[in-house]
Amino acid sequence: DQQVKQNSPSLSVQEGRISILNCDYTNSMFDYFLWYKKYPAEGPTFLISISSIKDKNEDGRFTVFLNKSAKHLSLHIVPSQPGDSAVYFCAASAKWDAGGTSYGKLTFGQGTILTVHP
Amino acid sequence: KAGVTQTPRYLIKTRGQQVTLSCSPISGHRSVSWYQQTPGQGLQFLFEYFSETQRNKGNFPGRFSGRQFSNSRSEMNVSTLELGDSALYLCASSPRDSGRTYNEQFFGPGTRLTVL
Repeated sequence: DQQVKQNSPSLSVQEGRISILNCDYTNSMFDYFLWYKKYPAEGPTFLISISSIKDKNEDGRFTVFLNKSAKHLSLHIVPSQPGDSAVYFCAASAKWDAGGTSYGKLTFGQGTILTVHP
Repeated sequence: KAGVTQTPRYLIKTRGQQVTLSCSPISGHRSVSWYQQTPGQGLQFLFEYFSETQRNKGNFPGRFSGRQFSNSRSEMNVSTLELGDSALYLCASSPRDSGRTYNEQFFGPGTRLTVL
């Protein structure tokens, strides 16, 4: 049961253009969402997050949008740079899950490989 | 501030052996979570520790265990290794008590375990 889905395995974008990465979730208990970037042989690096009480959060070139009714979030990177090329993971957390409290647990999507061409 | 550190970075074991992985969180972080990353299953939550107590556990067999020390450093242990345990094991620390609200986690570089 994949509660967080990133349906696009890969995305290719030209330098300077906008990159839009998408994520869908099914668990209505999720109340906090995060995006991570990962390079090979490294751990994920935290990029930006958003709580369910907001619909948008910006940090520099990164903006995350949350559409709760559609259970959909997206990460916009503007402008895209070649150094942004990496795997991007969407993650979600909840206060509670089927097993009880959900301390310290992030549920991740499968990732999207972003390639930014010079 | 130093980031999350994990040792060793690479490990090769044979089936049936056991292994212990170590994680040092960012200074001041008291919550430590562990994840397993495999090509087939992606990133899967193993367990979380806070103040030396395991507060949450993912859907993994009892061969996977962990502990946390008073200085917040954490170890995870896998006994009776199986081929399918080959994975990248990631540790993450969080500055907040995730029992309250929001939960940014900061990851270490991981330990690459290969089981032969």
